[in-house]
Amino acid sequence: EPEVTQTPSHQVTQMGQEVILRCVPISNHLYFYWYRQILGQKVEFLVSFYNNEISEKSEIFDDQFSVERPDGSNFTLKIRSTKLEDSAMYFCASSEALGRNTGELFFGEGSRLTVL
Amino acid sequence: GNSVTQMEGPVTLSEEAFLTINCTYTATGYPSLFWYVQYPGEGLQLLLKATKADDKGSNKGFEATYRKETTSFHLEKGSVQVSDSAVYFCALSDTTGGSYIPTFGRGTSLIVHP
Repeated sequence: EPEVTQTPSHQVTQMGQEVILRCVPISNHLYFYWYRQILGQKVEFLVSFYNNEISEKSEIFDDQFSVERPDGSNFTLKIRSTKLEDSAMYFCASSEALGRNTGELFFGEGSRLTVL
Repeated sequence: GNSVTQMEGPVTLSEEAFLTINCTYTATGYPSLFWYVQYPGEGLQLLLKATKADDKGSNKGFEATYRKETTSFHLEKGSVQVSDSAVYFCALSDTTGGSYIPTFGRGTSLIVHP
């Protein structure tokens, strides 16, 4: 069964360092997403991506964040200069379509980021 | 704005017990509602959904009914199994403003003991 894969599963970094989280969405999916969950809090939407550009982003997704689809299979989230409050589980997801009656996103296992 | 509120966990039950996980929502439009489940070591996966009032979503013995009057979508199962131990996320997708991006709750951990 096709699945979304994420790497690394866990990354520990020092504050101020750049981090890249990688995702391989399901191959025939067109929409890609990043969400994050700070421990004990809600799963928060960060950004969606379609047709090689950002289609929507939340207030959390500021200039420190960027996304890229560099080679037609990977979908990456970059955090330029990490802060302590960036420590969270980051989930990548993909979907075939975007619509009221779909809503089905396929998620990866998550990448846990710990900023020290 | 849109939001989802779930009961805090963990919910700890014995096998064959009845399960309810409460979920209420706030939405400016007329949302579709979802339950996702995350088993240990896996990603979130769609468990069930309902797209209009009074619809009942069901899958794997789990059910949830879209209650517009109480803005709720509580998850229920009559007899839980150890294999149901997971984190359950309530979510909504609202078209207001043209966005279908799902909004999630914080998740409720379910632990089922033999």
